[in-house]
Amino acid sequence: EDQVTQSPEALRLQEGESSSLNCSYTVSGLRGLFWYRQDPGKGPEFLFTLYSAGEEKEKERLKATLTKKESFLHITAPKPEDSATYLCAVQGLSSARQLTFGSGTQLTVLP
Amino acid sequence: GAGVSQSPSNKVTEKGKDVELRCDPISGHTALYWYRQSLGQGLEFLIYFQGNSAPDKSGLPSDRFSAERTGGSVSTLTIQRTQQEDSAVYLCASSHGDTQYFGPGTRLTVL
Repeated sequence: EDQVTQSPEALRLQEGESSSLNCSYTVSGLRGLFWYRQDPGKGPEFLFTLYSAGEEKEKERLKATLTKKESFLHITAPKPEDSATYLCAVQGLSSARQLTFGSGTQLTVLP
Repeated sequence: GAGVSQSPSNKVTEKGKDVELRCDPISGHTALYWYRQSLGQGLEFLIYFQGNSAPDKSGLPSDRFSAERTGGSVSTLTIQRTQQEDSAVYLCASSHGDTQYFGPGTRLTVL
């Protein structure tokens, strides 16, 4: 059974204070690891897909990295508008195409 | 372009009533997914449609839940004899490749 654990559950940062969110996973063969952002009352918004260990993707102040057991979402010099819940999900080779999600990290960036 | 749309955005019903939730996927996307997001829990997979193939219903929590997809496009999720534990946000996603794009969700409240 695929499993995803995200930490911390909540993170408060000052504007400009860089940090990282962690996503640990177990899966019987990884098809892909996905990061989403979710704002209150909205559906998850796609950020990145990572397929193999060592891969990195960047978008504005966000960078996602992947190892064989975990992924990190690095946030550099965050702004208040980066406040959201960040969700990590895996798609295993044996799980058809559905995603298994972690519980998310709720990020608050204070001005 | 148009994203995934869902209706209604909010639904309040009484215990024991049936409800229907609608999803319009992104045009051209062959795969469609339903997930449920409950307070304090991560997104939970419900059902997956791919083209004209038989749906993967492995995530449906009980036989009160069913879904159909007409003409390879619009999908309806039906919950019969609703219970209070069915209260959640129901999210629909569609994809053409690996990346799933989510709609805004339907918030279901069962009184």
